[in-house]
Amino acid sequence: QSALTQPRSVSGSPGQSVTISCTGTSSDVGGYNYVSWYQQHPGKAPKLLISDVTKRPSGVPDRFSGSKSGNTASLTISGLQTEDEADYYCYSYAGYNWVFGGGTKLTVL
Amino acid sequence: QVQLVESGGGVVQPGGSLRLSCEASGFTFRSYGMYWVRQAPGKGLEWVAFIPFDGSDQYYTDSVNGRFTISRDNSKNTLFLQINSLRFQDTGVYYCAKGNGWWPEHWGQGTLVTVSS
Repeated sequence: QSALTQPRSVSGSPGQSVTISCTGTSSDVGGYNYVSWYQQHPGKAPKLLISDVTKRPSGVPDRFSGSKSGNTASLTISGLQTEDEADYYCYSYAGYNWVFGGGTKLTVL
Repeated sequence: QVQLVESGGGVVQPGGSLRLSCEASGFTFRSYGMYWVRQAPGKGLEWVAFIPFDGSDQYYTDSVNGRFTISRDNSKNTLFLQINSLRFQDTGVYYCAKGNGWWPEHWGQGTLVTVSS
């Protein structure tokens, strides 16, 4: 199972919006509505931001939103804040197989 | 609140073995599937293994199949990962995670496994 494809890095200024893409195949992202997104700060454990493509767990700001079209999922962060600087990983269920994206480093300029 | 505490990591020679543990609290452990996910130094996350709530089956990524064994003791709220025939590329932080459906929801802080000669 190959990793999902994410851009290695994205950047934005405080207050701006950024979108991180996650491209898979019809066997994973395109085949199931079980895409999740995780945020990881250096030296910390990952934190769930989005599940089921679009659902935010309680406590996650509504600045974070998820979507999917075909084999590509996306995470949009609006109103960027300095604390959003972190690594972001997408994740998809793939039929008793599970696959992460390679990760995207978000820099808040 | 959900707490997951991993232990058992360390430095081991190639070909060696380790048994990782993950003690769970703050939720009904026996009702949830559990995951192991690892992260090599400076690299991304990699799903390693999954076990359903009742331990009825086990699933592994191809690179560890036949070398790693995931198990659980629901009477002790503990998840395990037996790792054998360790290779240099198995080095990394190993996280256990509580499942919610088909994804990891809550994560522990991880335990470091270093394979070195």
